[in-house]
Amino acid sequence: ETGVTQTPRHLVMGMTNKKSLKCEQHLGHNAMYWYKQSAKKPLELMFVYNFKEQTENNSVPSRFSPECPNSSHLFLHLHTLQPEDSALYLCASSQGQGYGYTFGSGTRLTVV
Amino acid sequence: QKEVEQNSGPLSVPEGAIASLNCTYSDRGSQSFFWYRQYSGKSPELIMSIYSNGDKEDGRFTAQLNKASQYVSLLIRDSQPSDSATYLCAVIKAAGNKLTFGGGTRVLVKP
Repeated sequence: ETGVTQTPRHLVMGMTNKKSLKCEQHLGHNAMYWYKQSAKKPLELMFVYNFKEQTENNSVPSRFSPECPNSSHLFLHLHTLQPEDSALYLCASSQGQGYGYTFGSGTRLTVV
Repeated sequence: QKEVEQNSGPLSVPEGAIASLNCTYSDRGSQSFFWYRQYSGKSPELIMSIYSNGDKEDGRFTAQLNKASQYVSLLIRDSQPSDSATYLCAVIKAAGNKLTFGGGTRVLVKP
């Protein structure tokens, strides 16, 4: 596989469910990111990981819990979400400071 | 003031014409600038990066940067219907690798 791979592509979950989003990058990058994209809103940065250490949490509610076991894998654990959390969740990676990001295909999340 | 601002559009362009997209940013210390293309229902795709003042050309795309005016633009020459998409301007500040996006400009190329 090449680039940045996200699974699942689509996810429907109830407000009491627990689910996880997975991201894997095959580019040798050392930084990984989670973004949220809602309708009519700009891309919102959620979390930044550099060399598997979290360096930014953009005031994200605790019902979103990231995990980065190594520089190639990133997870977003979801629990007790709200309908307003329905959005496209995008994972990205980069070589580091000053470089553009490569995005995965995203997970379309619907909370019912 | 938003960190990165773009006109939301839509920008309607006849096929074969030049599409001109503009973006302004608030942090004067910003050093890295990018243009992404996003088709409906898809993820953003990097099409241009620019780091120094002036023009940078890649195929039908030209990025222009003016740090004094805190302004970056994208020109699409010989626009094709397949160029119809939302174009996102993104900026990295002087320190770090955090990419901040504008709201995007929707471009419609009409045959």
